[in-house]
Amino acid sequence: DADVTQTPRNRITKTGKRIMLECSQTKGHDRMYWYRQDPGLGLQLIYYSFDVKDINKGEISDGYSVSRQAQAKFSLSLESAIPNQTALYFCATSDSGTAETQYFGPGTRLLVL
Amino acid sequence: ILNVEQSPQSLHVQEGDSTNFTCSFPSSNFYALHWYRWETAKSPEALFVMTLNGDEKKKGRISATLNTKEGYSYLYIKGSQPEDSATYLCAFVSNDYKLSFGAGTTVTVRA
Repeated sequence: DADVTQTPRNRITKTGKRIMLECSQTKGHDRMYWYRQDPGLGLQLIYYSFDVKDINKGEISDGYSVSRQAQAKFSLSLESAIPNQTALYFCATSDSGTAETQYFGPGTRLLVL
Repeated sequence: ILNVEQSPQSLHVQEGDSTNFTCSFPSSNFYALHWYRWETAKSPEALFVMTLNGDEKKKGRISATLNTKEGYSYLYIKGSQPEDSATYLCAFVSNDYKLSFGAGTTVTVRA
């Protein structure tokens, strides 16, 4: 079984809809991250969490919110989706013992119409 | 937002040839430099984690060097094979544990 899972894997939604992307991990890592990937821009950090009570904004947090429900779960919400949020979204975990090496989930491809 | 740049953006290399490309990052507040390999339709996977100036890492035909004083890292592929085709990402980790990724170098190996 995969160590980092994301649901859904693909989603089509309409402008203005609320959508939640979920991430679960079995690696036992405290630190979790949400990234989006747009062609030519690499990975941009949306939010990150170093433990259950810690939430931090990344480079592009506007229009997004997160919830760290447990050590193993970190969800990303788009309160009112807009077309320029169409992207590939990755969840990742890291362990301070490996200099924050990122372990990525399989990605969620989101299309906002 | 930290400035992490990779060059070139893409390159094509003939099977059997060697190649290299660059990651530039801030020379201050350095904690670590990561290299990831990202194949189409898959997730990025860690290749190397480098923490000390002068570090050299090697995995098979792929190796990397690190110069933290001048803020660059090179990734080398020796004797490229079609299975080396991928996007290679570098990520700078600052000493407050924030990561910034470069946009990647996409390598296409032609048989």
